Amino acid sequence: DTAVSQTPKYLVTQMGNDKSIKCEQNLGHDTMYWYKQDSKKFLKIMFSYNNKELIINETVPNRFSPKSPDKAHLNLHINSLELGDSAVYFCASSQGPLSSYEQYFGPGTRLTVT
Amino acid sequence: AQSVTQLDSQVPVFEEAPVELRCNYSSSVSVYLFWYVQYPNQGLQLLLKYLSGSTLVESINGFEAEFNKSQTSFHLRKPSVHISDTAEYFCAVSARGAQKLVFGQGTRLTINP
Repeated sequence: DTAVSQTPKYLVTQMGNDKSIKCEQNLGHDTMYWYKQDSKKFLKIMFSYNNKELIINETVPNRFSPKSPDKAHLNLHINSLELGDSAVYFCASSQGPLSSYEQYFGPGTRLTVT
Repeated sequence: AQSVTQLDSQVPVFEEAPVELRCNYSSSVSVYLFWYVQYPNQGLQLLLKYLSGSTLVESINGFEAEFNKSQTSFHLRKPSVHISDTAEYFCAVSARGAQKLVFGQGTRLTINP
């Protein structure tokens, strides 16, 4: 009965490949997020969707493309992977789009690009 | 824009000792403030938050934080820590009514027996 789940947990791939990370939440939340946590633990938001609509799109390379097929799912596709994409990617969800709502985080996907 | 500075990257303490994790923020508008905790190999969990009202907020596991507007701080304290408190702690800020959280760099709390 995991609240926010991500697959895969680990992803090792070579430069230039394309990969996807999937996220699902069973909390009935309207808003979902993708965060990137770098090697220094710095956590930064990448995207946010509310009711399947993109509401936050930070300055992220357009090689990163989020997709929300429904309110419970938010996937992240990355094209032409680069060494600098190596990080832990966290999915999160909240009841609504305002920052006052608690965000529930998934366990993270550790991406290693070689 | 908002920013957060966590003044200590690592804080080692002995079990049952008090601890303070420092957080300062910068913003030209009113803010909400948060502390999230990340236990090893897990995602972040909300520990406590300040939205309005009393400047002292508490968590269910004994942590508290005080919003100090004049010093633009939101330090996290616990009077007596346990081994289970070992984790990374993140302070975060957002403008009131905004959609985005801005996180600090995190403070690793290590509890020694």
